[in-house]
Amino acid sequence: DAGVIQSPRHEVTEMGQEVTLRCKPISGHNSLFWYRQTMMRGLELLIYFNNNVPIDDSGMPEDRFSAKMPNASFSTLKIQPSEPRDSAVYFCASSPRLAGANTQYFGPGTRLTVL
Amino acid sequence: LAKTTQPISMDSYEGQEVNITCSHNNIATNDYITWYQQFPSQGPRFIIQGYKTKVTNEVASLFIPADRKSSTLSLPRVSLSDTAVYYCLVGVYLLGGYNKLIFGAGTRLAVHP
Repeated sequence: DAGVIQSPRHEVTEMGQEVTLRCKPISGHNSLFWYRQTMMRGLELLIYFNNNVPIDDSGMPEDRFSAKMPNASFSTLKIQPSEPRDSAVYFCASSPRLAGANTQYFGPGTRLTVL
Repeated sequence: LAKTTQPISMDSYEGQEVNITCSHNNIATNDYITWYQQFPSQGPRFIIQGYKTKVTNEVASLFIPADRKSSTLSLPRVSLSDTAVYYCLVGVYLLGGYNKLIFGAGTRLAVHP
C-alpha cells in the first residue's frame, strides 16, 4: 500500500488567500484525522471523521477552517481566509478501526507558509 | 483525561539500550498505552502499543507495571537513525467508540556516535 497521501507537500501563500489541503487515506481505513503541528503548540488534533462523517471537530481553531470527506478515499482541509498564524505542518492520518486501541497511520504532511 | 509526563530530552550513544519512562497517573480502565516515533519532516509513526505487562515487537519493548500508572519504552542497541522524538500517548475513550489520542511534547532522543 502507498500509505496516506497528502498534497501538496509544500504550500506558500499570502494572507487572505484560500488554501486547500488534500488527503487520500489508506484504502480500507474508516477513520481519518487532521492534525496541525507547530513548535509552540506541538501536535494538535483538528478534526476526525468516521465512515466519512465528521465526529469531533472541537479542535478546529475557528470558522476559517473547514474539512470535508466526500467519500472514503478523499478528504480536504480548507482555510479561508488564511492568516500568518496558520503557518504549520498539517498532517492527515487514517486508522483501520474506530473503537478500542486504534493505530493511526500518518501521511508525510503539508508544510504551509502564510506570508 | 489521562495526561502523560515524559522527559523532554535524552542523550545516548550507539549500541546502548535506551529506556524512556512515561507517567500517566490518571489512566482509565479502557485506555491503551501507545508510543509513536517522529523523525524530522515526517509524520509520527506507530512503534508499539500495550495494555499491561510486557509487549515486544521487532522495534521495541514496552513495560507496563501492574498499576499501569507508568510505562517504559525500551529501545535495544540504538543507532544514529533512532534519533527522533518519541511520544507516549494514552487514548481518551469516549462514548461511541472514539479513542482520541492526545500528543504531548514528547521526548527528544539524540543518539551520538
